[in-house]
Amino acid sequence: EAQVTQNPRYLITVTGKKLTVTCSQNMNHEYMSWYRQDPGLGLRQIYYSMNVEVTDKGDVPEGYKVSRKEKRNFPLILESPSPNQTSLYFCASTWTSGRVSTGELFFGEGSRLTVL
Amino acid sequence: LAKTTQPISMDSYEGQEVNITCSHNNIATNDYITWYQQFPSQGPRFIIQGYKTKVTNEVASLFIPADRKSSTLSLPRVSLSDTAVYYCLVGSLTGHSGAGSYQLTFGKGTKLSVIP
Repeated sequence: EAQVTQNPRYLITVTGKKLTVTCSQNMNHEYMSWYRQDPGLGLRQIYYSMNVEVTDKGDVPEGYKVSRKEKRNFPLILESPSPNQTSLYFCASTWTSGRVSTGELFFGEGSRLTVL
Repeated sequence: LAKTTQPISMDSYEGQEVNITCSHNNIATNDYITWYQQFPSQGPRFIIQGYKTKVTNEVASLFIPADRKSSTLSLPRVSLSDTAVYYCLVGSLTGHSGAGSYQLTFGKGTKLSVIP
């Protein structure tokens, strides 16, 4: 089954304790992206990656890091989480080869993070 | 980057046709318009995509005027299960760098409530 898998789905942590949210897709997609969703603010893009070793900032990259060492994985790293990073996070992917349109973004089920 | 503006919320009775409009005044030549549906605690799901004029699939229609500065998602005969948040996304894969990177920014979405 084609899917985007995020882990953990739920996490409660404390300020300053490094954490990683993993994202994996099994569709051989080149493009992957992270979004955060907060009430009244919609979906805001954190980072995206066009392919292995190619990443770029989205709208709200402060406090986050990403890496793309393998095509299927795109982890989101919070080096020193703060309470303002409490949010619902979504990973998404799509294929891009030979195409102009954005096509269909496939989203994971989300990871709800609480930073105390 | 094309910014989008949508109504915050809409109400509709079951069986009615619902039209949700998205404004995107600075849409670029290569940008496509895509609509997503999101239920609570789930990732967004692709509904429909278009570039100009009208596109129709089994669940919705998308109307795009000649100037492409707005678009309208039309949901025929809505049911209670159509209660969700609907997002308009404008973008393309041509991006702003030689690597073909691109940034996809969602708006704040429209919360549609279908009333029995």
